[in-house]
Amino acid sequence: AQSVAQPEDQVNVAEGNPLTVKCTYSVSGNPYLFWYVQYPNRGLQFLLKYITGDNLVKGSYGFEAEFNKSQTSFHLKKPSALVSDSALYFCAVRDRGTGFQKLVFGTGTRLLVSP
Amino acid sequence: DTGVSQDPRHKITKRGQNVTFRCDPISEHNRLYWYRQTLGQGPEFLTYFQNEAQLEKSRLLSDRFSAERPKGSFSTLEIQRTEQGDSAMYLCASSLTVGLAGSSSYNEQFFGPGTRLTVL
Repeated sequence: AQSVAQPEDQVNVAEGNPLTVKCTYSVSGNPYLFWYVQYPNRGLQFLLKYITGDNLVKGSYGFEAEFNKSQTSFHLKKPSALVSDSALYFCAVRDRGTGFQKLVFGTGTRLLVSP
Repeated sequence: DTGVSQDPRHKITKRGQNVTFRCDPISEHNRLYWYRQTLGQGPEFLTYFQNEAQLEKSRLLSDRFSAERPKGSFSTLEIQRTEQGDSAMYLCASSLTVGLAGSSSYNEQFFGPGTRLTVL
């Protein structure tokens, strides 16, 4: 069965500093991996995805993520955090090996960027 | 606004009542998904449609839940005889998938703002 772990409930970082939000996954086959962000009272917004190819994926708002197959990780990164990046971040996986289309989400990591 | 829309945004009901939610996907998207999100958790998959065909259903989708997408456009999710445990945010998403079934192409899902259900 597919699963996603986001080991940190909250990440605190000062504005201008680099940030990392961690994600590890488990699938039986090869994964499709996604990051979404959720602002209060709003739906999830897509940030970036890994399907195949280059392990470093660049997405919206300056975010990027690195796929590491040996460590089954897909950590979200940004070189310089902004206060406006404060939100709830979700990692999600779909098992490419199955015919199923569902995304399995982690429990989310709250990012708090202080001025 | 060309995004995914959901109606209503909030619904408060008494236990035992039936409720129905509507989702309008992005117009050219052929796949539509329903998820449920409870406080402190990530979204959990409920079901998905490709055009008008319902192709996957989660075990979370008990027989009190039914979803339809009659013309392959908007979708409705109905919960009969609501229970307090049904209180959650119900999220709809859509995606456009082209190519043969089982192909490696996969496009991201775009989510609506959700319908927050409170069962008293």
